[in-house]
Amino acid sequence: QVQMVQSGGGVVQPGRSLRLSCAASGFRFHNYAIHWVRQAPGKGLEWVAVISSDGTNRYYTDSVKGRFTISRDNSKNTVYLHMNSLRLEDTAVYYCARSEWIYSSQFDHWGQGTLVTVSS
Amino acid sequence: DIQMTQSPSTLSASVGDRVTITCRASQNIINWLAWFQQKAGKAPKLLIYQASTLESGVPSRFSGSGAGTEFTLTITNLQPDDFATYYCQQYESSWTFGQGTKVEIK
Repeated sequence: QVQMVQSGGGVVQPGRSLRLSCAASGFRFHNYAIHWVRQAPGKGLEWVAVISSDGTNRYYTDSVKGRFTISRDNSKNTVYLHMNSLRLEDTAVYYCARSEWIYSSQFDHWGQGTLVTVSS
Repeated sequence: DIQMTQSPSTLSASVGDRVTITCRASQNIINWLAWFQQKAGKAPKLLIYQASTLESGVPSRFSGSGAGTEFTLTITNLQPDDFATYYCQQYESSWTFGQGTKVEIK
């Protein structure tokens, strides 16, 4: 069955870096785009970034451009979110989710989420 | 950027009720709209995509309708497992979620 297992969250000071991982199994990973979506404590969902199936196209929400980088290793069925220059407002549960295409394609499976807390 | 506005923010209902949640887009998104259910501490679960297509395995008491800028999620015969928060999401241009509707026990 489809599984997306996340790791890498934790507590980090403002300005520091963190890398999240999303390891997939149970489907043809290299055929799917992968998104990151976050949810601040008690708040709604916010799309963060997406990477195409072959890694050639990447898009970000404005608030993380220049600070976050999404990447993937199709040989390891894993997507990463490299987060630099973290801010207090980046505190959230981060989810990875797959879609068949970048565009016009629903998010049909999600990881379990990982909490990132930015605090001094 | 496309804004998504859900109403109501909170909905109180009883088991067996029929409930409707509305989602409005700030511009035409054709039918590129999904509905998700989220329970506390869990990842969102896809219920409906392309405005009205039921995701595999989702009970038929969930249905979606609408096109353009106005959409609805309807749950008929509300069950205890349905008390949760529901989000709409547009994926016509970038990706934006509504602010959520919490369905609570009356």
